Amino acid sequence: GENVEQHPSTLSVQEGDSAVIKCTYSDSASNYFPWYKQELGKRPQLIIDIRSNVGEKKDQRIAVTLNKTAKHFSLHITETQPEDSAVYFCAARGRYSTLTFGKGTMLLVSP
Amino acid sequence: SAVISQKPSRDICQRGTSLTIQCQVDSQVTMMFWYRQQPGQSLTLIATANQGSEATYESGFVIDKFPISRPNLTFSTLTVSNMSPEDSSIYLCSVLFRDVGYEQYFGPGTRLTVT
Repeated sequence: GENVEQHPSTLSVQEGDSAVIKCTYSDSASNYFPWYKQELGKRPQLIIDIRSNVGEKKDQRIAVTLNKTAKHFSLHITETQPEDSAVYFCAARGRYSTLTFGKGTMLLVSP
Repeated sequence: SAVISQKPSRDICQRGTSLTIQCQVDSQVTMMFWYRQQPGQSLTLIATANQGSEATYESGFVIDKFPISRPNLTFSTLTVSNMSPEDSSIYLCSVLFRDVGYEQYFGPGTRLTVT
């Protein structure tokens, strides 16, 4: 089945810096790659996603890139703010229509 | 976007007992899933709840331990049977909307503690 690796496990940045989280996947048939943000005690929230026919997608301060050949995708957050502090999960949907999640990245943004 | 609710939001149960968690969506959804999230961990898929047929379980999860029902397109239940402390976790239902680009959303979760 699909295997998703996520790095780093923790990331500390200063407010205003950029943050990058990287994921790799194993199933070449995977075609949908969402990112979720989970604040402490809350449900995971879908923040952005990308499909295999697109190389990059942006939504305000958040962007996601996809390299199908290398089977990796990344989340980019610019001008980070303290409210961006959370655990971020990447995921990939493969041939069985179920999402496989990475282990998560704890992002800490210091004021 | 749809509203997904779960009941109960939390519970403390004794070992050997069973708990049924309900998931209700305010609109019809294509697929419903049940996940488990242990403290500080990622999300692990338990099973896909199929409407009108038996659920599809992931490796490591069995129907006798986690029976699932999905009587219609807006409702599902997950039962955690014969509980042990190792079942202490957050259980989340998740729904997929084919009409919204196959986006998948999560319910608020049920925090289960087994003593």
